[in-house]
Amino acid sequence: NAGVMQNPRHLVRRRGQEARLRCSPMKGHSHVYWYRQLPEEGLKFMVYLQKENIIDESGMPKERFSAEFPKEGPSILRIQQVVRGDSAAYFCASSPSLGAGANVLTFGAGSRLTVL
Amino acid sequence: GQNIDQPTEMTATEGAIVQINCTYQTSGFNGLFWYQQHAGEAPTFLSYNVLDGLEEKGRFSSFLSRSKGYSYLLLKELQMKDSASYLCAVRKAAGNKLTFGGGTRVLVKP
Repeated sequence: NAGVMQNPRHLVRRRGQEARLRCSPMKGHSHVYWYRQLPEEGLKFMVYLQKENIIDESGMPKERFSAEFPKEGPSILRIQQVVRGDSAAYFCASSPSLGAGANVLTFGAGSRLTVL
Repeated sequence: GQNIDQPTEMTATEGAIVQINCTYQTSGFNGLFWYQQHAGEAPTFLSYNVLDGLEEKGRFSSFLSRSKGYSYLLLKELQMKDSASYLCAVRKAAGNKLTFGGGTRVLVKP
């Protein structure tokens, strides 16, 4: 089991460019979550998706950020017209379908975005 | 909303015990989680409490009191590799997402 796969691991963009971060959940997991982490800070929730469905986007900035989890392929977090403040580590996590028990979130290794 | 508080940093000696406290306020509660995160790496799951009491897992234990909105993570027989950030997270009754505290950075010294 390959775990949660994120790519790219490191991404450098200039101000105004677009950043696309990809996440493939663990095998058998149908729920995906995106979190942002600034240096020396905790994880901030951004968005929670199931296949073809956004369940909770209460943590997403209203502009420039979007997320999708299509029927086929990985989940994508897209940041348009990046600014220096978008520089952070973006972590994806996945979990099985809702059910009893812990329903633990398993995290990927993260994508580190640097905006010049 | 949710408010999750934990100390920013703690220092302890190899072989000792450290207790990391976490207090939370939430409009609904469906479980408290602890994760470990080494610098530059993914958070990894340590423990889960949904009922009051102590859950023990080897050198790590986690305690929960729902009435007090309080949890702690106890690390025994500290090893140098335990130097990491420890993240407390709460899951609300509705939904599956976790809300994290700011994390506690633990430094283990020889």
